Amino acid sequence: AQSVTQLGSHVSVSEGALVLLRCNYSSSVPPYLFWYVQYPNQGLQLLLKYTSAATLVKGINGFEAEFKKSETSFHLTKPSAHMSDAAEYFCAYASGGSYIPTFGRGTSLIVHP
Amino acid sequence: SQTIHQWPATLVQPVGSPLSLECTVEGTSNPNLYWYRQAAGRGLQLLFYSVGIGQISSEVPQNLSASRPQDRQFILSSKKLLLSDSGFYLCAWSGTPNNYGYTFGSGTRLTVV
Repeated sequence: AQSVTQLGSHVSVSEGALVLLRCNYSSSVPPYLFWYVQYPNQGLQLLLKYTSAATLVKGINGFEAEFKKSETSFHLTKPSAHMSDAAEYFCAYASGGSYIPTFGRGTSLIVHP
Repeated sequence: SQTIHQWPATLVQPVGSPLSLECTVEGTSNPNLYWYRQAAGRGLQLLFYSVGIGQISSEVPQNLSASRPQDRQFILSSKKLLLSDSGFYLCAWSGTPNNYGYTFGSGTRLTVV
């Protein structure tokens, strides 16, 4: 069965520092991978997605993620954190044959001034 | 462009009262539709999904039910709410195949008192 693991329920960084949110998946079929952001009391917004094209995917708000098949990872990065990046981030997996997306448990990003 | 509408945004209901949350999608046809719940400090829990009118699959047994009376309408219901039904409810849709990501509504904050 497929699963998504997000390492660290909370990640704390200083404003201007590198943001790294980790996501690993387990699946025997080629994945489609996504990162979502959720601000308090709002729905989830798609940040970026990997759909078997370029392995380095650029998204909105300066975020990017790299698909590494050998490591079964899809980590999210941003070179310089802003206070406005403080939110909950979810990694998700889908395959072409399944209607059901699998979500990680989420990582709360805390940005200190 | 496609849009998803979910209402109400907030709801306070007494224990034992009925529930009806509605979700509609515009700008697409035959979407896959999903209901998720987020309890405080927890990840996303898939409650129901639907791949077509009248087709509902339940992921978690509970006192909630879902219906899809029209192609782009998805309703979450309960005959008698429990305290444990409190949470943040999210509707989402996806096209087929599922590699294009999922679009979420803005959510309903349900508090059962």
